[in-house]
Amino acid sequence: DGGITQSPKYLFRKEGQNVTLSCEQNLNHDAMYWYRQDPGQGLRLIYYSQIVNDFQKGDIAEGYSVSREKKESFPLTVTSAQKNPTAFYLCASVLRGLGGNTEAFFGQGTRLTVV
Amino acid sequence: KNEVEQSPQNLTAQEGEFITINCSYSVGISALHWLQQHPGGGIVSLFMLSSGKKKHGRLIATINIQEKHSSLHITASHPRDSAVYICAVRSVTGNQFYFGTGTSLTVIP
Repeated sequence: DGGITQSPKYLFRKEGQNVTLSCEQNLNHDAMYWYRQDPGQGLRLIYYSQIVNDFQKGDIAEGYSVSREKKESFPLTVTSAQKNPTAFYLCASVLRGLGGNTEAFFGQGTRLTVV
Repeated sequence: KNEVEQSPQNLTAQEGEFITINCSYSVGISALHWLQQHPGGGIVSLFMLSSGKKKHGRLIATINIQEKHSSLHITASHPRDSAVYICAVRSVTGNQFYFGTGTSLTVIP
């Protein structure tokens, strides 16, 4: 079955350590996105990628890095420069088909806790 | 002002009640998504709509493109429906999502 997979679901890290969140899709989707959710707030865009080897900063990119070496994968690294990394992280992917038809899928999310 | 507004923010219902959650948006969209998030858990995608109405089990989602409004209905609500429901819209170009802040639903037995 095609889908989008985030792993792990829960992640704990010590303060000052970099951590990488995985997002993989086998849907042949072109675009992939990373969002962050804090309590009481809507999801905010961290980074997105429209094609392989290209990505753009979103609204809250500071302290994060991404790569898009393969179409299927868009890992997010939370660096030690991110001041408040504890949050829920959501990955999404979009296929832009012909005639404007699109489809979008969301991962389950990863809840990161930094102690 | 947020591009997507949901109401109510919090909702408590008795088991069996009919529930409606509303979503209004201010941007042009290619599609609207309803997502469910359980406490401490992950996201489940419930519906994707670009027009009309969709039904899945006890859940019904409607969208009115002219009025820029969508509703999520839950019939015969059950405690396991307790979750945060999030409305998300995809921009006309399909390049961007905008999310509501969510509606926290608690269904009491």
